[in-house]
Amino acid sequence: GENVEQHPSTLSVQEGDSAVIKCTYSDSASNYFPWYKQELGKRPQLIIDIRSNVGEKKDQRIAVTLNKTAKHFSLHITETQPEDSAVYFCAAISGGGADGLTFGKGTHLIIQP
Amino acid sequence: SQTIHQWPATLVQPVGSPLSLECTVEGTSNPNLYWYRQAAGRGLQLLFYSIGIGQISSEVPQNLSASRPQDRQFILSSKKLLLSDSGFYLCAWSVEWGEEPLHFGNGTRLTVT
Repeated sequence: GENVEQHPSTLSVQEGDSAVIKCTYSDSASNYFPWYKQELGKRPQLIIDIRSNVGEKKDQRIAVTLNKTAKHFSLHITETQPEDSAVYFCAAISGGGADGLTFGKGTHLIIQP
Repeated sequence: SQTIHQWPATLVQPVGSPLSLECTVEGTSNPNLYWYRQAAGRGLQLLFYSIGIGQISSEVPQNLSASRPQDRQFILSSKKLLLSDSGFYLCAWSVEWGEEPLHFGNGTRLTVT
């Protein structure tokens, strides 16, 4: 099955600086890579996703890059703001999608004022 | 549009008592349904998934069980709760057979005392 590793587990950045979270995956057949943001006590919510036919995708301050050869993908947040503080999960899907996503263990992003 | 409902939001149960958490999805047919647990931290652990009525796959052996009596209804149960069952339980759905994101319910905070 798929195995997703996520780093770092905690990331503290100054407000206005950029944050980068990295994930690696094991199944070369994986084709879909979403990122979720979870605020304290709330449900995870999709913030951006990328498919294997694309190397980069951007949505305002958030971007995701994918390197299929190296089997890693990254989340980039620019001009960080206090409301970006949350736990972020990467995920990958394999096996045709029926058995769901495999998640990384999460990154606690702390934005320092 | 599709919506997912999960209840109750909070539950406090004594050790040895039964459990029933319910999840329903509206606005779609034949979704893939999932139960995840998030215990004492950030990781999302897949407990069960279902690709159709009466079809349940278990990812982790434990004293929990799941059932799908109707197309858009998913139930998580236990006959006797353990202290270790405490956690944040999340129901989720995704489209049938697709590399598509998971959509989470608001979750149930279960405390076993």
